[in-house]
Formats: sequence, C-alpha cells, structure tokens
Amino acid sequence: GENVEQHPSTLSVQEGDSAVIKCTYSDSASNYFPWYKQELGKRPQLIIDIRSNVGEKKDQRIAVTLNKTAKHFSLHITETQPEDSAVYFCADQYDSWGKLQFGAGTQVVVTP
Amino acid sequence: KAGVTQTPRYLIKTRGQQVTLSCSPISGHRSVSWYQQTPGQGLQFLFEYFSETQRNKGNFPGRFSGRQFSNSRSEMNVSTLELGDSALYLCASSQSGGENSPLHFGNGTRLTVT
Repeated sequence: GENVEQHPSTLSVQEGDSAVIKCTYSDSASNYFPWYKQELGKRPQLIIDIRSNVGEKKDQRIAVTLNKTAKHFSLHITETQPEDSAVYFCADQYDSWGKLQFGAGTQVVVTP
Repeated sequence: KAGVTQTPRYLIKTRGQQVTLSCSPISGHRSVSWYQQTPGQGLQFLFEYFSETQRNKGNFPGRFSGRQFSNSRSEMNVSTLELGDSALYLCASSQSGGENSPLHFGNGTRLTVT
C-alpha cells in the first residue's frame, strides 16, 4: 500500500474504558495489517495482526477488525489500563519484501 | 530466543561524516529491514535484505546504503551526514520478509547529527 491514514492522533481515556483507533489504506491489494505498540524510548512491538482473509481477530483485551470493502481496519482495546499508554501504529503490506507502510501513530493516554 | 540487537544505541556525529550501524537478527530470521523514525515523517522504510541481497528499497538518497552478511547480520551506512539524518534507525527481522512473516524490531540506534 502507498498510504495509510490513522486517526485519531491522540486519544485520552479513563482507566477501564475502551479505546478505538482507526486506519484506512489505499491499496486494495494489501493483504496484511499489523499493529505495533511503542512505549516511550522503546522499540515498536507487534501486538496483533490480521490478514485479508479474516474479518476479526482477538487476543485477550485487544481486537482488530478489517473491512476490505471500505479499506478500513481498527484496533479495539477494552478495559484499558495505565500500561496501555503508548503510541500505537497501524501498517499494511502488499507483495513487498520487508516493507510495511505505517500510519502516523496514535498517542494513547490512559488516566487512572 | 534473543531479540533483534542493534549497536550502538546512541551516536553523535557531525555533518559530512559517515556512520555505520549494525543489526543482528533473531536467530533463524533471514530477512532484515531498516527503517528511519522521525517525529515529522514517522516510520519510513529504507531497504530490505535477504540472503545477502537487497530485494527492496525505499525512497532515500544513495547516501543511505546497506549490506547483509552470510550469517544474516546487517549493516547500514550513511555517508556525508546531514542535519536531517538525525533520527532513530530501527532494524527489523523476519523469517522471510513476506506477508506471512511478521517483523520484529530492535531497540534502534539514535543518531544525532550536529
């Protein structure tokens, strides 16, 4: 994919509430959509990913949904905790060795 | 399993100098990708290597180059440094570099050009 738009750029939530981050991609042939979490001063860590033949995937408190028709995918975090505070990046990949196209990132702040 | 290791963690260079960054992938991973992270441009792809061959390249000038060794370790070189090259340089490894092979990032090298 050539372009991934990510919204919002910042997100403040109360502990225990849910957080949703949305991304839109432009290349309809994109097949792989990972999400990375980057805490301050640390490396981006893969937290969940989804492939184009799957509509939804869950892993404990996090889930990702994919709408191929609309070219949207979203990250859902339930029961947020202070340790969820970080920058989250969405990305896509299409037929391109080692190249992920990243969104601009969402700064999530969870307040106790 | 040890993660992706990047050295050094921090570098300070002056304009016009050159720099070499090193990356050791996760054991068994043969693909190594390099990314530049800046507050303004976000995460930008530089290039990818597999079996000592560059298979993919991003939109960076020729001052940015890389190579991969037979043990899959990779180096990235930036020549004639410019102030705008100040960034966090991240290396990521994966088994194949393809869509079924998630990328795992190292902690990065923070380059400051003065």
